[in-house]
Amino acid sequence: DIQMTQSPSSLSASVGDRVTITCQASQDISNYLNWYQQKPGKAPKLLIYDASNLETGVPSRFSGSGSGTDFTFTISSLQPEDIATYYCQHYDNLPFTFGPGTKVDIK
Amino acid sequence: QVQLQESGPGLVKPSQTLSLTCTVSGGSISSGAYYWSWIRQHPGKGLEWIGYIYYSGTTSYNPSLKSRVTISVDTSKKQFSLKLSSVTAADTAVYYCARTGYTRSYFDDWGQGTLVTVSS
Repeated sequence: DIQMTQSPSSLSASVGDRVTITCQASQDISNYLNWYQQKPGKAPKLLIYDASNLETGVPSRFSGSGSGTDFTFTISSLQPEDIATYYCQHYDNLPFTFGPGTKVDIK
Repeated sequence: QVQLQESGPGLVKPSQTLSLTCTVSGGSISSGAYYWSWIRQHPGKGLEWIGYIYYSGTTSYNPSLKSRVTISVDTSKKQFSLKLSSVTAADTAVYYCARTGYTRSYFDDWGQGTLVTVSS
């Protein structure tokens, strides 16, 4: 199985701050990488697919980049409604696996 | 946008079989553009893909659960189902159903999730 790691595991930032989360795959996954947002008690929501494509309806302050084994997810200006846990997920092969998540809080 | 809704018992006894159904509305389960997945999340933990099914009945399972998992589909009822046998407390989790892209495997629509507790 491909192992996904994320850093940091949690962060606190102020409203308006730029927030960056990294995701690393244990082997080359090209751009087969998606990002999700999960708020407490809710199902995850797809934000970014194929490493850098913004899902329809998702605010443009969210973005993603990377390929191969190293990926980055960015919130350009943190908003109070962005408080959530963020997960990366690969689909290079089966089984699909997720990163352990990054919990984002407001400072 | 398609809607998915999980249903089934919230409490299952150890060694028994967990059974859940996902009902799809607002779209076709027979669309060739999607797989239909089950994903679980242990309390306070991350996400684990269990497996998926295509409308034709073709399945793929996570090897970690493969010996205990069966996913089936009933296109006439617009439902797909999960059976997980020989459950233990380690199978206590929130179970989600999700639509999965066929060529790009992202999970773009999810059910609300259902908590299944394994306890005697």
